[in-house]
Amino acid sequence: GAGVSQSPRYKVAKRGQDVALRCDPISGHVSLFWYQQALGQGPEFLTYFQNEAQLDKSGLPSDRFFAERPEGSVSTLKIQRTQQEDSAVYLCASSLEAGGHEQFFGPGTRLTVL
Amino acid sequence: EDQVTQSPEALRLQEGESSSLNCSYTVSGLRGLFWYRQDPGKGPEFLFTLYSAGEEKEKERLKATLTKKESFLHITAPKPEDSATYLCAVHPGRSYIPTFGRGTSLIVHP
Repeated sequence: GAGVSQSPRYKVAKRGQDVALRCDPISGHVSLFWYQQALGQGPEFLTYFQNEAQLDKSGLPSDRFFAERPEGSVSTLKIQRTQQEDSAVYLCASSLEAGGHEQFFGPGTRLTVL
Repeated sequence: EDQVTQSPEALRLQEGESSSLNCSYTVSGLRGLFWYRQDPGKGPEFLFTLYSAGEEKEKERLKATLTKKESFLHITAPKPEDSATYLCAVHPGRSYIPTFGRGTSLIVHP
């Protein structure tokens, strides 16, 4: 079935490089979330889109992090000038409607910054 | 600030040995409490949503319950394929942003 997909699944970057992580949500899903998950931790909220509107970006760690969803479907999380502390799994999730519904997660992108 | 605490952090069971996982929470106006299962190298997979105290949901060997302060995930006669990390998340009434706990890592030995 067509679930949430993310690419690449693995990314190794040298410190200072820019990276772009892609999320393809389930077709027709209004809500899209990005999370950061460190080893042994639960997902930490980064940002939330309702269709193409970014309604909350309070979880983005710094201004090096930028997310967009220009047509209300595919979303990209961009990290500029990567640092070692950016190493984590980045999860994308989509939800059919806005607000308080179950989320469908992608497999994540594991980012390693050397 | 919304908080979710899951216990224990890790749990080892023998196949058939029933147990419970705990999720304690503080939230301003609960919109919903969610349980997810996460296998290594994969994203979380939705299990249950609970909306109000006293509510219960069941699926195969799993049963989730909710009070005003905590939720339990009861596992009856677990099998090795139930081994995974179980995550709890709360959605506050005032926003769309959930807060996740750190999860309970469950290992079921055959």
